[in-house]
Amino acid sequence: DQQVKQNSPSLSVQEGRISILNCDYTNSMFDYFLWYKKYPAEGPTFLISISSIKDKNEDGRFTVFLNKSAKHLSLHIVPSQPGDSAVYFCAASAYGNKLVFGAGTILRVKS
Amino acid sequence: ETGVTQTPRHLVMGMTNKKSLKCEQHLGHNAMYWYKQSAKKPLELMFVYNFKEQTENNSVPSRFSPECPNSSHLFLHLHTLQPEDSALYLCASSQDRVYNSPLHFGNGTRLTVT
Repeated sequence: DQQVKQNSPSLSVQEGRISILNCDYTNSMFDYFLWYKKYPAEGPTFLISISSIKDKNEDGRFTVFLNKSAKHLSLHIVPSQPGDSAVYFCAASAYGNKLVFGAGTILRVKS
Repeated sequence: ETGVTQTPRHLVMGMTNKKSLKCEQHLGHNAMYWYKQSAKKPLELMFVYNFKEQTENNSVPSRFSPECPNSSHLFLHLHTLQPEDSALYLCASSQDRVYNSPLHFGNGTRLTVT
């Protein structure tokens, strides 16, 4: 049973537009959420995180939104750039316990 | 050299072979991890080491045997693997075992079992 789900396997966006990547979770005990980005032939790199006491965290072009009642988080990238094309993984943990990852969403930013 | 380094990058082995994957981190971290990534599946945690002590074994078959001689080095010894073990094996490290400390991943070893 997947506790963290990324229901869109892929997303295609025009350069300069907004990319919105979505993630749903089932475990209400999750209190910390992270996004990782992965390029081909490289390991995932940490992108941005959010604690459950917040509903938004922003870092440059990247913003993560958390909706606890809906058990949903999203990553917004604006404006999208071709270099953002990668696989994006959502991950969650409960009280510092092990990270649970989603299966990833492939983002393609077209120039 | 900085970050997390994994060798080899690619490995092809038969089911009767014995091989080892190596991971080294230059970040001064105290926790190290092995993850498995199969195609179109979430990353699966295999093992966790904190200050050289194994703190988690996520029901991994005994044909995978980890070794952590110090906080900077982590090995995964492989023997009598099955074709379904073919995957990307990722090593990661973090400041400590608390998962809110972001993981730093290596580039992985692409393993093919024939």
